[in-house]
Amino acid sequence: GAVVSQHPSWVICKSGTSVKIECRSLDFQATTMFWYRQFPKQSLMLMATSNEGSKATYEQGVEKDKFLINHASLTLSTLTVTSAHPEDSSFYICSATRQGMGTEAFFGQGTRLTVV
Amino acid sequence: AQTVTQSQPEMSVQEAETVTLSCTYDTSESDYYLFWYKQPPSRQMILVIRQEAYKQQNATENRFSVNFQKAAKSFSLKISDSQLGDAAMYFCAYRSAAGTYKYIFGTGTRLKVLA
Repeated sequence: GAVVSQHPSWVICKSGTSVKIECRSLDFQATTMFWYRQFPKQSLMLMATSNEGSKATYEQGVEKDKFLINHASLTLSTLTVTSAHPEDSSFYICSATRQGMGTEAFFGQGTRLTVV
Repeated sequence: AQTVTQSQPEMSVQEAETVTLSCTYDTSESDYYLFWYKQPPSRQMILVIRQEAYKQQNATENRFSVNFQKAAKSFSLKISDSQLGDAAMYFCAYRSAAGTYKYIFGTGTRLKVLA
């Protein structure tokens, strides 16, 4: 099966610092990766779509300067939360679609970010 | 823009019984995919079942089946012989057949399975 791994699983950072979350497709090349944010007991809200070698496409209302997305290779995308604030605390999930087999998205296990 | 609506925030079912989770969606597209995902307490998203809009036959995966009504834009999930391990959040999702392949999720239904 296709495996997507996120790192770290959880992170605590101080207000004003930046934190990077990695999303890796372990056994396939991901055409596209997606970043979602999930608040407690709520649904997944798409933040941005990331294509290898090109700029990410952000959803309306998502600050691109705050949530930096880099998709440097077909197996790695990173989300950097810059100058984090307590309101950025959330659960972040990435997913990836497999090149040539685009129907199903494969999800990482998520990253719980707590900003103190 | 496409939307996905799940009108049942929470459902309960007795172990071994059958439960149906509702999902409606809105789209002007004719070709798309629909999914049900399960999110247990671990928060890992697990694909339960998928349906291609061009297929009239309802998808089935073991104890899970869907009732896909394209004209009514309805996509319900039936879980038969419910097990304790089925307890989770269930999300209905829509994905266009073209474009960026991004998913649009419903608000979720929390399923409780009673022993």
